[in-house]
Amino acid sequence: TQLLEQSPQFLSIQEGENLTVYCNSSSVFSSLQWYRQEPGEGPVLLVTVVTGGEVKKLKRLTFQFGDARKDSSLHITAAQPGDTGLYLCAGAGQAGTALIFGKGTTLSVSS
Amino acid sequence: EAGVTQFPSHSVIEKGQTVTLRCDPISGHDNLYWYRRVMGKEIKFLLHFVKESKQDESGMPNNRFLAERTGGTYSTLKVQPAELEDSGVYFCASSQARDSLNEQYFGPGTRLTVT
Repeated sequence: TQLLEQSPQFLSIQEGENLTVYCNSSSVFSSLQWYRQEPGEGPVLLVTVVTGGEVKKLKRLTFQFGDARKDSSLHITAAQPGDTGLYLCAGAGQAGTALIFGKGTTLSVSS
Repeated sequence: EAGVTQFPSHSVIEKGQTVTLRCDPISGHDNLYWYRRVMGKEIKFLLHFVKESKQDESGMPNNRFLAERTGGTYSTLKVQPAELEDSGVYFCASSQARDSLNEQYFGPGTRLTVT
């Protein structure tokens, strides 16, 4: 059974701080997706990383895929209160297969 | 372009009753997925349709769950009879048939509470 371990589970920081969320697995994925979910809404796709070692940036968010395509990280620089939410990583197989989700990281950024 | 929509947003039913959840995928998306998140656990896969055909239903908990996608458009997920452990948030997602990145777009979910 493929599993994705996501850490930390909860993170409470002050505005302006940096943070990193980790997503680890013993399995290799074709791609890895990061989602953000707000209360009462569904997960919203932020980015997909495909190539081992790939780094993608989305404003203050930096996503990295491990060389072996088993792990990924999300780094947020100078966190803002608007970054508050649940961040989910999901491992994907080939096209048309189910996603394997981590449990998520609940981020709270206070001003 | 409209996103994935789900109905109802919330449902509270008693144990033993029946509930039907509906999902309308993004227009043109052949792949439709159902997922569920129970409290304290990760989002887990239930089943996958390609057009009107069930491609993978390995995540369906038991035969009290019945999913359909007649005509290959919207899908329904019926739980009959509902049990307490069926409580959770049910998400629907869709993706394009030839999306090699397997990027799935999620609906807002249906929160099901069985009392």
